[in-house]
Amino acid sequence: DAGVIQSPRHEVTEMGQEVTLRCKPISGHDYLFWYRQTMMRGLELLIYFNNNVPIDDSGMPEDRFSAKMPNASFSTLKIQPSEPRDSAVYFCASRSDRDRDEKLFFGSGTQLSVL
Amino acid sequence: AQSVTQPDIHITVSEGASLELRCNYSYGATPYLFWYVQSPGQGLQLLLKYFSGDTLVQGIKGFEAEFKRSQSSFNLRKPSVHWSDAAEYFCAVGERGGSYIPTFGRGTSLIVHP
Repeated sequence: DAGVIQSPRHEVTEMGQEVTLRCKPISGHDYLFWYRQTMMRGLELLIYFNNNVPIDDSGMPEDRFSAKMPNASFSTLKIQPSEPRDSAVYFCASRSDRDRDEKLFFGSGTQLSVL
Repeated sequence: AQSVTQPDIHITVSEGASLELRCNYSYGATPYLFWYVQSPGQGLQLLLKYFSGDTLVQGIKGFEAEFKRSQSSFNLRKPSVHWSDAAEYFCAVGERGGSYIPTFGRGTSLIVHP
């Protein structure tokens, strides 16, 4: 398996624009997590899905943020409209419920810059 | 609620020196504990984990960590640091049972001098 795949690797956009981040989890994994990493706040959990169903979105900062998982192999995190304070690295991670290792597999992240 | 504290934002060591990165957790019962490493421009990779049993756990790349219940700590150690160990290190705690959702510390940046 190629691991968790995120796209794009880098995104530069202007304030007010819509941004869509994409994630393909490892095949067969039941859980998908979206994290945001900033210098100020470290690694924050935004939302996670179990079997494509959003379970906890309490970490989503505002209504401008939304996430979907239309099927087991694809998820999106959308920011509309984007603001400079959204600039961060966004990570997607997945995990298998059958893996007693409880290990998260992370993608390489999307570096988002909002000007 | 579970939480993790990594008191050191940056640690600088010389290559070949020993290393200890601190991690303290807050959790009502015996937690799952993890250390992840993040190399520049990469996602996080699991170094080691503690679930139960022997409180000294061995991980990849020559790292080990010791769970000390009395101190609520799970410090990461390496006897001799290599320049390639320069990275960001994250401690995480997860709840037992249920869906397990890890909470990460703020991270410690390791700088290795030649």
